[in-house]
Amino acid sequence: KQEVTQIPAALSVPEGENLVLNCSFTDSAIYNLQWFRQDPGKGLTSLLLIQSSQREQTSGRLNASLDKSSGRSTLYIAASQPGDSATYLCAVSRTGNQFYFGTGTSLTVIP
Amino acid sequence: KAGVTQTPRYLIKTRGQQVTLSCSPISGHRSVSWYQQTPGQGLQFLFEYFSETQRNKGNFPGRFSGRQFSNSRSEMNVSTLELGDSALYLCASNRHSTDTQYFGPGTRLTVL
Repeated sequence: KQEVTQIPAALSVPEGENLVLNCSFTDSAIYNLQWFRQDPGKGLTSLLLIQSSQREQTSGRLNASLDKSSGRSTLYIAASQPGDSATYLCAVSRTGNQFYFGTGTSLTVIP
Repeated sequence: KAGVTQTPRYLIKTRGQQVTLSCSPISGHRSVSWYQQTPGQGLQFLFEYFSETQRNKGNFPGRFSGRQFSNSRSEMNVSTLELGDSALYLCASNRHSTDTQYFGPGTRLTVL
């Protein structure tokens, strides 16, 4: 069974700082990987989707990389803002839409 | 365009009862997936429906079931509720499995 781990579990940074969130998975035979954010009491918002054949995706201040051979992905957030405060979740699928989620990194950006 | 909608948003039930949750995907999306989120287990995949057929199923007991209608709306049913079924139930939709998944706000189920 796929196991997804996210480190750190919680992170607090001052506004403007660049930061990296880490995700590791045990089975490298993945179909795709997604990064989500979840605000308290809300559903999930997809940030970036990386197909298994891709190495990275970028959207605005966000950049996600994928290294299937080592079972790792990173989410880079540039120039963090208080509005970035949320829980960030990494999820991988082996087939179609059956995703395995990590336990998330709770990010707090201090003004 | 309208997002994924889930009804009801909140439910309180007692042990032994059954419950039905509804999910309306984004127009044009044929895949609907369901997830359970709890503080202890995190997010866990329940099942996925595509064009009215169950395509994938997670590791949950048979008390958890679902279906999808011809308009892509989906329902999930939990029978003989247990205290441990208290959770946020999320559904997500997309057109194809290569596309981004869009999640609804969830249904918060409390079992007393």
